[in-house]
Amino acid sequence: DTAVSQTPKYLVTQMGNDKSIKCEQNLGHDTMYWYKQDSKKFLKIMFSYNNKELIINETVPNRFSPKSPDKAHLNLHINSLELGDSAVYFCASSQDWGSSYEQYFGPGTRLTVT
Amino acid sequence: GQNIDQPTEMTATEGAIVQINCTYQTSGFNGLFWYQQHAGEAPTFLSYNVLDGLEEKGRFSSFLSRSKGYSYLLLKELQMKDSASYLCAVRGLADKLIFGTGTRLQVFP
Repeated sequence: DTAVSQTPKYLVTQMGNDKSIKCEQNLGHDTMYWYKQDSKKFLKIMFSYNNKELIINETVPNRFSPKSPDKAHLNLHINSLELGDSAVYFCASSQDWGSSYEQYFGPGTRLTVT
Repeated sequence: GQNIDQPTEMTATEGAIVQINCTYQTSGFNGLFWYQQHAGEAPTFLSYNVLDGLEEKGRFSSFLSRSKGYSYLLLKELQMKDSASYLCAVRGLADKLIFGTGTRLQVFP
């Protein structure tokens, strides 16, 4: 029944490593997002895909690379992890790209870089 | 620039009414959302306003004044489970959703 799922839920890794977070939605939505929530609970958009096409790419270091193999999946790969990458990463989806569509969030992936 | 302001923390008593304010200055406006986020969980959608006025949904209501760049979320008959963070988010230019820093509400018995 899970609408938006993410794996893993927790990720602890060392600086310099490369890691991936996976996201899947079973809502039949066309649009998916990645957000970063820092220690002050500030939620900020990173990327958005609509029908597998990148439509938002905020000023995120190019160590972060999203990939959408199909409409139901949006993965996030992070190269050369840094301490400042520690945060909770939320995946979200919405029915379509447009103003009135609410976003459904996944449970989050808590990334800790040591 | 983009700016969304909310009080950082609020407290209230079970059964009471609380109003959480949000003021915004954004490049473009395509609607305002309120989300609820319990500690350690994902944000969940509460309400959406695009026209001026009040939208009511059970114990929760949300108000918007576009000319004043102002919204509020009204929670009635507060319950302990309403203790959470409440995030105001504006859909701005290019339909990007910009979140405020959230208001942490604590409900006491």
